[in-house]
Amino acid sequence: QQQVKQSPQSLIVQKGGISIINCAYENTAFDYFPWYQQFPGKGPALLIAIRPDVSEKKEGRFTISFNKSAKQFSLHIMDSQPGDSATYFCAASKGGYQKVTFGTGTKLQVIP
Amino acid sequence: SAVISQKPSRDICQRGTSLTIQCQVDSQVTMMFWYRQQPGQSLTLIATANQGSEATYESGFVIDKFPISRPNLTFSTLTVSNMSPEDSSIYLCSVWDRNYGYTFGSGTRLTVV
Repeated sequence: QQQVKQSPQSLIVQKGGISIINCAYENTAFDYFPWYQQFPGKGPALLIAIRPDVSEKKEGRFTISFNKSAKQFSLHIMDSQPGDSATYFCAASKGGYQKVTFGTGTKLQVIP
Repeated sequence: SAVISQKPSRDICQRGTSLTIQCQVDSQVTMMFWYRQQPGQSLTLIATANQGSEATYESGFVIDKFPISRPNLTFSTLTVSNMSPEDSSIYLCSVWDRNYGYTFGSGTRLTVV
């Protein structure tokens, strides 16, 4: 299975709150899990990525949590800001340079 | 990360015609890819553009419909042939770099009427 399932489809969070997006995968050969942020009219931009040898990676307000046994990973956005309003895609690939399988996307809206 | 210039940024085309999209990268890259993103949807890989050889197409995409060229390590083109309204989508060029992972262009928004 090459699918990556992502939820929720949309999310509304108050400014200062925590945004949480979840993803699950089937293919145990995946070993690279990036998250992308996409603003309207732009291509996706790499936000943060993790490999399965660590359970958590943090960069600023963005944290990936990874559960290898459950084949799940999630993105947490702390202190969410209106500027974070965008569509977020989780993804997975083998080896990092192989073709990337994208999740279905989550449209995040952060309201003041 | 690599900087990608994609042209055109948008176009409106008549059904039955073809459109060629260009992707120019500011550095030599090994891996280049073409994706399709329908409005409000996720990204679907069309093909991997191989330098000096035929592109590798994903299931559901064929060379006759989406011919790809990659004459060198910084440039590729994707042609959408014999277009129909179902081809209306955003087409994205992407490259992979071992330091920065995948970088995407801003995309070409195609509308077929």
